[in-house]
This record gives sequence, C-alpha cells and structure tokens, in this order.
Amino acid sequence: QKEVEQNSGPLSVPEGAIASLNCTYSDRGSQSFFWYRQYSGKSPELIMFIYSNGDKEDGRFTAQLNKASQYVSLLIRDSQPSDSATYLCAVSSGGGADGLTFGKGTHLIIQP
Amino acid sequence: DAGITQSPRHKVTETGTPVTLRCHQTENHRYMYWYRQDPGHGLRLIHYSYGVKDTDKGEVSDGYSVSRSKTEDFLLTLESATSSQTSVYFCAGGAGRNSPLHFGNGTRLTVT
Repeated sequence: QKEVEQNSGPLSVPEGAIASLNCTYSDRGSQSFFWYRQYSGKSPELIMFIYSNGDKEDGRFTAQLNKASQYVSLLIRDSQPSDSATYLCAVSSGGGADGLTFGKGTHLIIQP
Repeated sequence: DAGITQSPRHKVTETGTPVTLRCHQTENHRYMYWYRQDPGHGLRLIHYSYGVKDTDKGEVSDGYSVSRSKTEDFLLTLESATSSQTSVYFCAGGAGRNSPLHFGNGTRLTVT
C-alpha cells in the first residue's frame, strides 16, 4: 500500500522566517509530487508540483525532491501569517489512473 | 476551483437512507475522483473515473458507488448511509495520470 508520511505538527514559525515542511513516501515508482495548502473549512489548493530531482522555485515557495531518499520538502521563505494553514503532500505513482495519495498534512502556524 | 462545483454543500441525513452527491466540472477533466477527508486519516480515495462510464474503486469504496454518464458529471452514491460515512467529501479532477488535481469546494455530510 502506498504511504505518504508527514509530521502533523503544529509547526510554529516566526513571521519573516523560513518554514520547512517535509514528506516521505513509500512507493519507489512514484513519479509526480505535489504540495497543497488547505485552510480550515476549505478545499485543498495546489501550490507546487515537482517531477524531477532537485529544486523548483515559484515565488516564495521552493519544492525539493530527492527520489533516492524518497523525500520531498517545501520551503516557504519570508513566512506570512496568511501562510498559516495545513500543507498536504501528495504523490502520484504514474502507473495508473488512481489519482494521488495524500499525507495527513502538517499544520503550520506563522507567529506575527 | 471555480471549474468544479459540488452539491449540496451541506447535508444531514438519517442512517439507512440513500444519498447522492453531485460533482459538475467545466474544465473537461478526463479523470475525476471522489475523496473523503476525516480527522486523523487525511484524504482517502473512494472511487475514480478515467472516462465516461469508466470507473474503478479506491481505497475506501465499501458502501459507495459512482456513475459518470458524461464528462461533466460525476455522482457519488451512498447506498445506505451509516454514521461512519459522516465526513467531508471532495470531488477532484485532473487532465492526466501525473497531472495535478483540482478540487471542488466540498460537501459536508452528517449521518445521524
């Protein structure tokens, strides 16, 4: 069974600092990796995706992928109180149409 | 995602009654998914569709059925609702097997 593991938190980070969120996955055949942000009572919102080893930057967000270690991370620079949310890591095996496997999420709190 | 609409947004029903949740999309997503989200479990896949009239089971499919008679609409039916099916249900769509998923706004279902 495919598994995606995240520390549930809460992870508390001062405003303006870098928030680092981590995720590990069990399926070595996984091909696509996604980060979603979910505010309380709202639906998940895609913020980043990465397919290849290395870093991918988009504004204040950087996704990092290490397939050898089966590890994905998300860095949020210059953290803002509006970044306070639950961050979901999701993985696609690519071998079938059965969607994404999600971690349970990390609750991030940005302290003003 | 404005392109995926779920109805109803909230529903309270009694144990043993059938319930149908609706998902309508205007994005021409080929792949459609139903997830449920529960505290401590995260998002879990119920059923998915990889084309009109093509559906398959996910991780937690017992007690649920789906239908997709046209690209735009994906229905989830609880054949005989139980209290364990109290949850938040999300519909999601994607263009391909490794593509990101885009979520509807969710349906909060309470079974009493």
